[in-house]
Amino acid sequence: QAQLVQSGTEVKKTGASVKVSCEASGYTFTDYYMHWVRQAPGQGLEWMGWIDTKSGDTKYGQEFQGRVTMTRDTSISTVYMEVNSLTSDDAAVYYCARGVGRTSSARLVPWGQGTLVVVSS
Amino acid sequence: IQLTQSPSSLSASVGDRVTITCRASQGISNYLVWYQQKPGKAPKLLIYAASILQSGVPSRFSGSGSGADFTLTISSLQPEDFATYYCQQFNSYPATFGPGTKVDIK
Repeated sequence: QAQLVQSGTEVKKTGASVKVSCEASGYTFTDYYMHWVRQAPGQGLEWMGWIDTKSGDTKYGQEFQGRVTMTRDTSISTVYMEVNSLTSDDAAVYYCARGVGRTSSARLVPWGQGTLVVVSS
Repeated sequence: IQLTQSPSSLSASVGDRVTITCRASQGISNYLVWYQQKPGKAPKLLIYAASILQSGVPSRFSGSGSGADFTLTISSLQPEDFATYYCQQFNSYPATFGPGTKVDIK
């Protein structure tokens, strides 16, 4: 079955960058978009954007435009999400999730296990 | 598109019927998804297209609604159902989430 495995915890300084990976298995990688969602400590879920794993096209939430980059390597069925110029507000668990379906049937399943990003000064 | 959920939290007992509401700031047809999240875990898909039960999800979960008002109902709350529930809309990007409803034990 489809499975997403993310890279481990990252500890970064304010102003640095972080790159999180998400390796897919159990399905044809390029048949589905990959979304990224983050969750600050004790807070709700925040949608960040998606990448078309076939074309490499991306769409980002306005808050993340210019500071987040999503890429993919089809040869190893892996997507990456990089955040630049980290601030304390970027401290969160970052999830990748496969986008399934179109229009009204769109949903995110499965999800990766999450990657904790700690930002310290 | 903004999503609001009510209540923000509730206390219930095993066997109770629980209803959570999600309201969109504009009509979103049936482009509405429900997730369950337990502490320290990734969200789990429960329902999509407002009312379609994801494979493997117990039938005590159901969803309804269209336009701007939606509900998630748990017909008989089980111990494993104590969690936080989020709605998400896919009518337009950004695919916003509701703020969540925490269901805990009375």
